[in-house]
Amino acid sequence: EVQLVESGGAGVQPGGSLRLSCTASGFTFNNFAMHWVRQVPGRGLEWVSFIVWDGSYTHYADSVKGRFTISRDNRKKVIYLQMNSLRAEDSALYYCVKGTLRGTLTADYFDFWGQGTLVSVSS
Amino acid sequence: QSVLTQPPSVSGAPGQRVTISCTGSNSNIGAGNDVHWYQQLPGAAPKLLIYGDNKRQSGVPDRFSGSKSGTSASLAITGLQAEDEAFYFCQSYGSSLSESVLFGGGTKVTVL
Repeated sequence: EVQLVESGGAGVQPGGSLRLSCTASGFTFNNFAMHWVRQVPGRGLEWVSFIVWDGSYTHYADSVKGRFTISRDNRKKVIYLQMNSLRAEDSALYYCVKGTLRGTLTADYFDFWGQGTLVSVSS
Repeated sequence: QSVLTQPPSVSGAPGQRVTISCTGSNSNIGAGNDVHWYQQLPGAAPKLLIYGDNKRQSGVPDRFSGSKSGTSASLAITGLQAEDEAFYFCQSYGSSLSESVLFGGGTKVTVL
């Protein structure tokens, strides 16, 4: 059974930093790209970031580019999202999401989702 | 404001058929990019329903179906059931790196 378990969400002041983690199990982790997608509770979904199967390529939404960094450790089956210079508009539930391909962003879709970890940015 | 436009809500009685539209443009759906659909039950994470325009994910009942034409796609639910009350999101891709992955704004399906 595929499981994705996020952690690291917390309350933080504007300008602060957080690192989210996602531990995967139940599938061959190093065969698939992984993503982060966020959702303001009660609102829509926003794709945030993507990392290919071996970590050699990453891509970000314009809204987080230059502030967020995605990475992965295939030995530990974990992906990370380092979030710096946080803003109020980054407040959301962050989902770790499994892709279905090794590394083609514009053909990938999301077949398994974690339960999310909540980030709140407020002074 | 989402690049892919969905109606905020649709409703139907049990057993009826409802459809949810997802309208894009020539730079996303109209460019031939695949459309995928997700269901989000209250308090739960999204779940993949339909991929590649019209393919049901394993375990998804056949009362869910997807289609695409031109710059729009649709999700149909036939034989609506109480358990189908949820939010539904479409997803596709843009033609520029700035619009790599696109989601619709979501549609709330209410079973009357």
